[in-house]
Amino acid sequence: DQQVKQNSPSLSVQEGRISILNCDYTNSMFDYFLWYKKYPAEGPTFLISISSIKDKNEDGRFTVFLNKSAKHLSLHIVPSQPGDSAVYFCAATGNTGGFKTIFGAGTRLFVKA
Amino acid sequence: DTGVSQDPRHKITKRGQNVTFRCDPISEHNRLYWYRQTLGQGPEFLTYFQNEAQLEKSRLLSDRFSAERPKGSFSTLEIQRTEQGDSAMYLCASSREGYGYTFGSGTRLTVV
Repeated sequence: DQQVKQNSPSLSVQEGRISILNCDYTNSMFDYFLWYKKYPAEGPTFLISISSIKDKNEDGRFTVFLNKSAKHLSLHIVPSQPGDSAVYFCAATGNTGGFKTIFGAGTRLFVKA
Repeated sequence: DTGVSQDPRHKITKRGQNVTFRCDPISEHNRLYWYRQTLGQGPEFLTYFQNEAQLEKSRLLSDRFSAERPKGSFSTLEIQRTEQGDSAMYLCASSREGYGYTFGSGTRLTVV
């Protein structure tokens, strides 16, 4: 039962262009959503988050959009840089017991110079 | 305190052996989580501690797995009678409250 789905295993983007990573969720109890970034041989690192009371959160080149009615969120990276090449995990959580976070399978982003 | 520390970084063990991993969370974080990640998948929740109390365990955590967090500080995850299917990256994370985690670099287990 995949509660958080990232349907694109990989994405390739030219440097300077926009990267859009998508994520869908099924559990309406989730009220907080996060994106993590992971480089090889390292643990995931927190990137940006959004509460369910908002529909957009921006931090520098990174913007997360939330569409609650569609149970969909997306991460926009503008402009994309080669250093952004990594695996991006969408994650969702809520006060469902311990703030356990459920992760998607990840999208590997390649930013070409 | 620079982050969550996990030891060892890599472990190769023979099938049937027991292994133990250690996690040292950020000192002021009272919540500690263990996750497992296999190739092509996201981290999967295994178990969660608030201080020294283990409050939730995933169905993924079979009877061969046990986790402890004595005194609410570091935590250990033990796998008994390892199987090849246990090969994965084991991630520890901690948080003070609320939602965001800080992950360690993980322990990569290979069972041969």
